[in-house]
Amino acid sequence: QQQVKQSPQSLIVQKGGISIINCAYENTAFDYFPWYQQFPGKGPALLIAIRPDVSEKKEGRFTISFNKSAKQFSLHIMDSQPGDSATYFCAASRVTDKLIFGTGTRLQVFP
Amino acid sequence: KAGVTQTPRYLIKTRGQQVTLSCSPISGHRSVSWYQQTPGQGLQFLFEYFSETQRNKGNFPGRFSGRQFSNSRSEMNVSTLELGDSALYLCASSFSSTEQYFGPGTRLTVT
Repeated sequence: QQQVKQSPQSLIVQKGGISIINCAYENTAFDYFPWYQQFPGKGPALLIAIRPDVSEKKEGRFTISFNKSAKQFSLHIMDSQPGDSATYFCAASRVTDKLIFGTGTRLQVFP
Repeated sequence: KAGVTQTPRYLIKTRGQQVTLSCSPISGHRSVSWYQQTPGQGLQFLFEYFSETQRNKGNFPGRFSGRQFSNSRSEMNVSTLELGDSALYLCASSFSSTEQYFGPGTRLTVT
């Protein structure tokens, strides 16, 4: 019940396209859902996060869509750029509890 | 504000030895969490310290331990190193345990 399932494992997108990464969780007590971006040799960087009281949150080209009834949330990267090429992790947690991470998605954006 | 710093950045140890890793959180952050990242297991939670007390613990053997000092700096210790302990060890700090900010990590290689 603690798992967060992430797909796809890898994603190749053309420059200017939309990248979509999906995550599903089981524990309905989770109430915080962040996305992290990690470049090789660096630690994960907090990208955007959402709480279950909203269905969508947008920050620049990055949007989280949240479906509470389906226990799913996704990251959409609009107008994907080569600089977006990185590994993306979704995560989930309860307040003051540990983050449970998905397995990661390696995104490659080609010019 | 300065980000999370971790020292050392790289470390090579021999099986059976012990190692201590250090983490300095963002100023004002009282929570420090440690994660192990490997290609096979992804990001796995080790433990979290808040105000010098261990608040959460992951499913790692007792060889992995940590502590937090009054200035919120944290150390992680691994005793009797095994080859499988080779990983990137990440420290994350937060003000409230939800928005966690990661350091660059310490790459530990056990030979």
